[in-house]
Amino acid sequence: NAGVTQTPKFQVLKTGQSMTLQCAQDMNHNSMYWYRQDPGMGLRLIYYSASEGTTDKGEVPNGYNVSRLNKREFSLRLESAAPSQTSVYFCASQSGTGNQPQHFGDGTRLSIL
Amino acid sequence: QKEVEQDPGPLSVPEGAIVSLNCTYSNSAFQYFMWYRQYSRKGPELLMYTYSSGNKEDGRFTAQVDKSSKYISLFIRDSQPSDSATYLCAMSFDNYGQNFVFGPGTRLSVLP
Repeated sequence: NAGVTQTPKFQVLKTGQSMTLQCAQDMNHNSMYWYRQDPGMGLRLIYYSASEGTTDKGEVPNGYNVSRLNKREFSLRLESAAPSQTSVYFCASQSGTGNQPQHFGDGTRLSIL
Repeated sequence: QKEVEQDPGPLSVPEGAIVSLNCTYSNSAFQYFMWYRQYSRKGPELLMYTYSSGNKEDGRFTAQVDKSSKYISLFIRDSQPSDSATYLCAMSFDNYGQNFVFGPGTRLSVLP
């Protein structure tokens, strides 16, 4: 029972490089989310997808793009990485109906030098 | 003022102690309240979920919501070293992810 799987677990980039963080869920959930977690800041929503084919901006979308490839997969792309994007990135999914909780992956630790 | 505030800790207690973790919030529209536990280098996992005011108990854990005071608490009875983690409160007004707000977390250490 994998739940939410994120790849890679760790990555170091140089300023200006691009990369895509991958997320897949096997719970048949409609909604998926990307958060970043920084010390003292809590989890902040970057982008979300309420259903396959739709995406919307969250609290901190600048510098990121997303793709909801299908119902299972939701990727986050950094086109030109900046040191301010050094963070731990979490993907979550949610059934999207009624009072259902979010389920999180174990995160991608990203360092931008 | 942040929308959700939480004691940052770290909090250290001896094994067997009762632990009280707290969050305050400013938006009176919040109706769904959650506590997540996050172990080091892991993602948050849902511990408790409550709707509106009142108490909810699950084993050694009790969640309490006081909407009139805009205050929520998580109590852990007979704390164990395995409870050592960061605890995040979260809340929303319609339970859809774009409207979730998370507290910054309280790091708890339970010492054997």
